[in-house]
Amino acid sequence: GAVVSQHPSWVICKSGTSVKIECRSLDFQATTMFWYRQFPKQSLMLMATSNEGSKATYEQGVEKDKFLINHASLTLSTLTVTSAHPEDSSFYICSASRVRGEKLFFGSGTQLSVL
Amino acid sequence: AQTVTQSQPEMSVQEAETVTLSCTYDTSESNYYLFWYKQPPSRQMILVIRQEAYKQQNATENRFSVNFQKAAKSFSLKISDSQLGDTAMYFCAFMSPSGTYKYIFGTGTRLKVLA
Repeated sequence: GAVVSQHPSWVICKSGTSVKIECRSLDFQATTMFWYRQFPKQSLMLMATSNEGSKATYEQGVEKDKFLINHASLTLSTLTVTSAHPEDSSFYICSASRVRGEKLFFGSGTQLSVL
Repeated sequence: AQTVTQSQPEMSVQEAETVTLSCTYDTSESNYYLFWYKQPPSRQMILVIRQEAYKQQNATENRFSVNFQKAAKSFSLKISDSQLGDTAMYFCAFMSPSGTYKYIFGTGTRLKVLA
């Protein structure tokens, strides 16, 4: 079955540093990738949608300069949290789509802790 | 704008019993897709079941079935013969194939299966 690999699983960083999270579709081409943020015991909040080769579309309220998304190929999307601060600490999840209407394939998530 | 509502924040069920999780949504579209996703303590999102709105027949996957009421915009999930491994957060999700491509998630229902 289709697999989405997300790395790292968890990361601890100092305030002010940048962190990159990778999301790869291992055995299929992902036309669209979605990045979500999830706070404890809450739902998934869509941050942005990315399509290969084009700029990501950010949801209202999400700072595009802080959360840089790059979808360089049909199998790889990255989220870079720039100048991270403690309030950026959260669980970040990527998902990939092959075809509209099909299920989303989710990565295993990244727990980011900013000290 | 489409919305997804899950009115039961938490539920519990005895092992081997049946439980129903409710989900309602709002849309003006006639063609769309509905999903139930499960997020166990590992936090890996797993598809439970998918329903295409233009199909009258309710989707089933082993012990999981839905009651899809299109006119009422209701999409409940029934779990039969509940197992301890069913303990998880359950999210209802909506996707329209037209317009902006995104999956809209409900706030989730935390289900605990009791031994």
